[in-house]
Amino acid sequence: ETGVTQSPTHLIKTRGQQVTLRCSSQSGHNTVSWYQQALGQGPQFIFQYYREEENGRGNFPPRFSGLQFPNYSSELNVNALELDDSALYLCASSLRDTRNTEAFFGQGTRLTVV
Amino acid sequence: EDKVVQSPLSLVVHEGDTVTLNCSYEVTNFRSLLWYKQEKKAPTFLFMLTSSGIEKKSGRLSSILDKKELSSILNITATQTGDSAIYLCAVDVSVRFGAGTRLTVKP
Repeated sequence: ETGVTQSPTHLIKTRGQQVTLRCSSQSGHNTVSWYQQALGQGPQFIFQYYREEENGRGNFPPRFSGLQFPNYSSELNVNALELDDSALYLCASSLRDTRNTEAFFGQGTRLTVV
Repeated sequence: EDKVVQSPLSLVVHEGDTVTLNCSYEVTNFRSLLWYKQEKKAPTFLFMLTSSGIEKKSGRLSSILDKKELSSILNITATQTGDSAIYLCAVDVSVRFGAGTRLTVKP
């Protein structure tokens, strides 16, 4: 049990709709990273939030956006959903200060776009 | 372009065998390399490596980083069926992941 929780666990949406996924980070962690994991592939980095600011972004279009709140929880928003957005979405929290720390993952949200 | 390559992509062994999983990387700003085990959904942390040549060990699992060769290996000795999983390596504090190695351990 990592202390990182994601909601919902499963979601089915229709192409063109919008979706919001949520992640509450482990206590004491100030950084949240979001990943998309398609079947049979490794997690692809979407973006990272550190102290409520975006701190790095992967190769994803602007319709993927996010927020981090003062309590360091985070949201991932995806607009204009496409069929290829169907994947497992993982968030990971870590403590980014003067040294590197490992990231602890939530159980993920399985998004299906039909 | 930054990349992380894992090999093999898939491996099937029998209980008791020893396996070596490989991870090579090309990134512009290397800070650390991490190994994770993914069984169902959430990858679970195994090791973080920042210094070359220093082996990290946890039970039957061990890992070492070679910064000169830009690579790392993960060894699992005396494999058990519970070791069956996808093993992921990541660099740059988990920003960039490899595709993973799917390990299947047969009884």
